[in-house]
Amino acid sequence: EIVMTQSPATLSVSPGERATLSCRARQTISSSLAWYQQKPGQAPRLLIYGASTRATGIPARFSGSGSGTEFSLTISSLQSEDFAVYYCQQYKNGYTFGQGTKLEIK
Amino acid sequence: QVQLVESGGGVVQPGKSLILSCGVSGFTFSDSVIHWVRQSPSKGLEWVAVISSDGNNKYYADSLKGRFTISRDNSKNTLYLQVNSLRAEDAAVYYCAREIGVTDAFDIWGQGTMVTVSS
Repeated sequence: EIVMTQSPATLSVSPGERATLSCRARQTISSSLAWYQQKPGQAPRLLIYGASTRATGIPARFSGSGSGTEFSLTISSLQSEDFAVYYCQQYKNGYTFGQGTKLEIK
Repeated sequence: QVQLVESGGGVVQPGKSLILSCGVSGFTFSDSVIHWVRQSPSKGLEWVAVISSDGNNKYYADSLKGRFTISRDNSKNTLYLQVNSLRAEDAAVYYCAREIGVTDAFDIWGQGTMVTVSS
């Protein structure tokens, strides 16, 4: 099983500022990585796939980068609706998720 | 409207069986690869199983093999997950999710159905 590790566990950022979330795979996964956003009581929502391709309807302030074992999700200017938990997922070999990063208002 | 709607969750006694359903509308179900994913406070998001569009290919998480069975009825636009010999650690919200097609990420998720295992 490919273990995915996200950091930090919690990130406190002010609205309007930039947030960068990290995800590391224990072994190389090429670009087979997705990012999801989850709000309380809701299902995860796909943001990014292929490490850097925005899903349909996702605002341009969300961007993904990385390949191999190191990945990041950047939200360029935080809006109130962006405060949520974010998960990375690899689909190179099976499917595994990171433990999540909670993005909270500073 | 594209949506997946899970049902069948509830309180189940340890050792019993349960069948979860996922009804689909708004897209061509018979063309879609569909997954089950569960989420619990202790384990987070955990992939459970996947089934091909025609139902002929099924794969399961190694840790769950043997007790879980995924199936589908394309004539009814419905996906199923049977869970046997329920354990306390099976308690979770169970989601069905569609694979996006161009890659293996999951673009559409249901709202989830909660399974509680308790005597």
